[in-house]
Amino acid sequence: GQSLEQPSEVTAVEGAIVQINCTYQTSGFYGLSWYQQHDGGAPTFLSYNALDGLEETGRFSSFLSRSDSYGYLLLQELQMKDSASYFCAVNPYSGAGSYQLTFGKGTKLSVIP
Amino acid sequence: DADVTQTPRNRITKTGKRIMLECSQTKGHDRMYWYRQDPGLGLQLIYYSFDVKDINKGEISDGYSVSRQAQAKFSLSLESAIPNQTALYFCATSDRLQDTQYFGPGTRLTVL
Repeated sequence: GQSLEQPSEVTAVEGAIVQINCTYQTSGFYGLSWYQQHDGGAPTFLSYNALDGLEETGRFSSFLSRSDSYGYLLLQELQMKDSASYFCAVNPYSGAGSYQLTFGKGTKLSVIP
Repeated sequence: DADVTQTPRNRITKTGKRIMLECSQTKGHDRMYWYRQDPGLGLQLIYYSFDVKDINKGEISDGYSVSRQAQAKFSLSLESAIPNQTALYFCATSDRLQDTQYFGPGTRLTVL
């Protein structure tokens, strides 16, 4: 089976940098994804790591280390609109291929002035 | 227009009633999914479909059924709703070349 652990809440100051960690126990997976969800909204895709290392997309970066069973999402130059929940997810190896996602419980990020 | 739409957006019903939630997409994706989200929890996969003739159970399929009427349409049914099925339900799609999933706006279901 798979389980993903994330902090339930994080608070950070506008303009700062915040890192949201995701540790996992899984028998094997294709990649680690990150999704953002604003209150009352739908999850939207942010980033995907198929390989170890850092992926950068604008102010957001994501990192994966398979040897450490660990990944993180890094948000730079925080803005008030970044206040949302952030979910890590893995697509585990299965007979059906790589298209099922198992989600963590999410981290609620609050950006304060 | 939204690429993934869900109807209804909100529904209140009583225990024992049959409920159908509908999902339509204009993205041309083969793969469609139904998730459930409870407060403070992540998304749990109910059912998924890789094409019209392929339906698969997810991790929490008990009490739910689905129908893939066309490539663009995937419906979720609760045959006899119960209060612990009160939740936010999301439909999602993906194509065969990418792992990214695109979510609909969600349906908030309350079972009294």
